[in-house]
Amino acid sequence: QSVLTQPPSVSGAPGQRVTISCTGSSSNIGAPYGVHWYQQLPGTAPKRLIYSNTNRPSGVPDRFSGSKSGTSASLAITGLQAEDEADYYCQAYDTSLGENVFGTGTKVTVL
Amino acid sequence: QVQLVQSGGEVKKPGASVKVSCKASGYTFNNYDISWVRQAPGQGLEWMGWLSGYNGNTNYAQKLQGRVTVTTDTSTSTAYMELRSLRSDDTALYYCARGSGSSPQGLDYWGQGTLVTVSS
Repeated sequence: QSVLTQPPSVSGAPGQRVTISCTGSSSNIGAPYGVHWYQQLPGTAPKRLIYSNTNRPSGVPDRFSGSKSGTSASLAITGLQAEDEADYYCQAYDTSLGENVFGTGTKVTVL
Repeated sequence: QVQLVQSGGEVKKPGASVKVSCKASGYTFNNYDISWVRQAPGQGLEWMGWLSGYNGNTNYAQKLQGRVTVTTDTSTSTAYMELRSLRSDDTALYYCARGSGSSPQGLDYWGQGTLVTVSS
């Protein structure tokens, strides 16, 4: 049972904007550590998409953006494309558990 | 370029142990932490533990405490994850990743994954 809750699925037409929420608590997302996001394409290893709440690694399109407010974080995908169909996970450090935790994961479907 | 190459798949019986390796290249091994993450079939990601590249300290998920050990061999830039007393629900893809998750950069590079199957 993950301590970070994400919607199981979101969908959108090509070109649309979708957002994925990640809800936690004051001991993880609300703690002074960054929230990270990972994209997992079918049959592949996860790939870092966003780090420390809002930062995009080089090579990640600027269609992907992250934000954090209080005990929640969000990942937004604008200009949705077919190759964005994947599972997305948020991740944070939980100060109460003393360990890292992943979100429950969200499957993005491009209609 | 940074690469993490993991060992091949394993089939184990319940109660046995498994040791998965992760060979790093393209960076100074000791300068970074190594984490292990697993994913059961059709399920999400589960963090298992990490080892500090700075001082060798380890931190494990409470759920796996006592069954998992992460070590490194700095002479070969290889990390290892050993899981003992295997059960059927340990069947999963096991990934190594650079970083500790609590670091500002998160887990920035991942291995290709190693499938561990536990079956009698």
